[in-house]
Amino acid sequence: DAGITQSPRHKVTETGTPVTLRCHQTENHRYMYWYRQDPGHGLRLIHYSYGVKDTDKGEVSDGYSVSRSKTEDFLLTLESATSSQTSVYFCAISELGQGRLDEQYFGPGTRLTVT
Amino acid sequence: KQEVTQIPAALSVPEGENLVLNCSFTDSAIYNLQWFRQDPGKGLTSLLLIQSSQREQTSGRLNASLDKSSGRSTLYIAASQPGDSATYLCAVRTGNQFYFGTGTSLTVIP
Repeated sequence: DAGITQSPRHKVTETGTPVTLRCHQTENHRYMYWYRQDPGHGLRLIHYSYGVKDTDKGEVSDGYSVSRSKTEDFLLTLESATSSQTSVYFCAISELGQGRLDEQYFGPGTRLTVT
Repeated sequence: KQEVTQIPAALSVPEGENLVLNCSFTDSAIYNLQWFRQDPGKGLTSLLLIQSSQREQTSGRLNASLDKSSGRSTLYIAASQPGDSATYLCAVRTGNQFYFGTGTSLTVIP
């Protein structure tokens, strides 16, 4: 299995509080992604990173920010959590090249509940 | 914007049957297509990756095909087993972004 961990694995927070989710990889892959998964919507890309300090928006980036100061860590921050951000958040990694390096590998997920 | 559709949304088959899952996408300018499996409450596990220049990939009882020009991929599962019960997702890579279908929930009945 690809070395991807997410922390915390579960979190309950109140509306209006800031929340930071962490993704850590040991594969030295260049690309890292944050997704959210909701019933009826599948997985939707929030933000992605293509290198240290290089990030870009995905399909559903409003209300989220990210940072990547080291190759191995990609942080997702909800500046002021809302109930609509209750979801399961997945981190993924990949490379760009040929062969199996192109595959996207996923972390175990973080279940976030905003009350 | 790339749209990815998976039909059917749910499928139930008796053990031992061969089955086909479908994935279609609207923009044929893809870099690759990947099939995943997701068990309830778990993350995604990669099954097969097909590069845009390839027609198919095989792994054990799984075979995935890609017809880029028509915007379609199929995942063929041979001799299905109860352990194959899961949700199967396809994803296409366009540029630096991935677009996912909403999945097919497969139940294999012993």
